[in-house]
Amino acid sequence: DAGITQSPRYKITETGRQVTLMCHQTWSHSYMFWYRQDLGHGLRLIYYSAAADITDKGEVPDGYVVSRSKTENFPLTLESATRSQTSVYFCASSIGQGTTEAFFGQGTRLTVV
Amino acid sequence: AQSVSQHNHHVILSEAASLELGCNYSYGGTVNLFWYVQYPGQHLQLLLKYFSGDPLVKGIKGFEAEFIKSKFSFNLRKPSVQWSDTAEYFCAVTNAGNNRKLIWGLGTSLAVNP
Repeated sequence: DAGITQSPRYKITETGRQVTLMCHQTWSHSYMFWYRQDLGHGLRLIYYSAAADITDKGEVPDGYVVSRSKTENFPLTLESATRSQTSVYFCASSIGQGTTEAFFGQGTRLTVV
Repeated sequence: AQSVSQHNHHVILSEAASLELGCNYSYGGTVNLFWYVQYPGQHLQLLLKYFSGDPLVKGIKGFEAEFIKSKFSFNLRKPSVQWSDTAEYFCAVTNAGNNRKLIWGLGTSLAVNP
């Protein structure tokens, strides 16, 4: 199906483990984004990508790694998960940055115990 | 630094009441403005946007917003809310220059009682 999909939808992991959240879009949008959503903080940008092989830090990048070898995929890796990374993670894509609508995935609820 | 303020964190209304959610931003140049909605358990989706032209913008589901440049505001309105409007509403702003990163407000939680 066309759209933007995230996997898994729910994940529980232990402190110190590496976790990868997947994001796949079928529109060939240039821009892709990773946000985390926490109570009292709204949406915070973790990383974004303007095109394949081009990534840049957002507001809260520490503890996260991204890659974008293909336009359609933008995985987010928590190298060594911490409890403070318990959150809901949203992937989004758009044709341009800030000039067009961003389309969001359904989100991944990550719990670090 | 640019910022977006949504003054109402939690709003509770009865069905058929009118709604106005405030959004103010701090950037002085040309801006693009967005309102997104997140229904319970769902992803964010665009309600409406303003780039240029008529400052009164109409979006989906009967929502509208007015851009008032002199007040740096982009308030969201709906004349008569429904129970199905219960959701989280986010205002977002980007400058129209080289750096177009979206700056998000913290969101307003709207609960509509039937």
